[in-house]
Amino acid sequence: SQQGEEDPQALSIQEGENATMNCSYKTSINNLQWYRQNSGRGLVHLILIRSNEREKHSGRLRVTLDTSKKSSSLLITASRAADTASYFCATDPNSGGYQKVTFGIGTKLQVIP
Amino acid sequence: DAGVIQSPRHEVTEMGQEVTLRCKPISGHNSLFWYRQTMMRGLELLIYFNNNVPIDDSGMPEDRFSAKMPNASFSTLKIQPSEPRDSAVYFCASSPTNYMNTEAFFGQGTRLTVV
Repeated sequence: SQQGEEDPQALSIQEGENATMNCSYKTSINNLQWYRQNSGRGLVHLILIRSNEREKHSGRLRVTLDTSKKSSSLLITASRAADTASYFCATDPNSGGYQKVTFGIGTKLQVIP
Repeated sequence: DAGVIQSPRHEVTEMGQEVTLRCKPISGHNSLFWYRQTMMRGLELLIYFNNNVPIDDSGMPEDRFSAKMPNASFSTLKIQPSEPRDSAVYFCASSPTNYMNTEAFFGQGTRLTVV
């Protein structure tokens, strides 16, 4: 099964509101990454948070990581119509050797102008 | 740099035909990944190369799929014979180091339709 699972699967908000997406995973990790995918395009890296970090900011993005709950959240503040996209978390399992990074199924965010 | 370049962007082929997808990673990146994305299964890792060597091909669905990386600037994913269930968007991604520690840069994808 997928290592990372995003929640909710779909989210619709008004422009200017904040959007929060969550990611849960099953095993311990080295790091967790968030990506954005606009319709018909490839994924674009947003932010990487390491297992020893609890919070990270990048512009209007805020990512938190709770390793005890095996979960992460992505907050987009003051959303814009251009933020409409699918958002994925990707986890890098901590197993002492190579393990494939796996993606969740994504959260589809719609920001209504 | 132009980023990861994939070709073709769209491919429509008949069942049973051979399909070859191409990828040019970002210069200097030593890790390359092929992913397949469908509505039902999401984004699946098919194969991972590091320094042109296949490290993990456990995601390759079956023997009809094969991937090569003859040099650091080129990779191919071949499907032969193709089947309708292979219809998906195929992404190539590259990373400057071991993917476990850094971000991956994705191409625009190849949308494959097998009829």
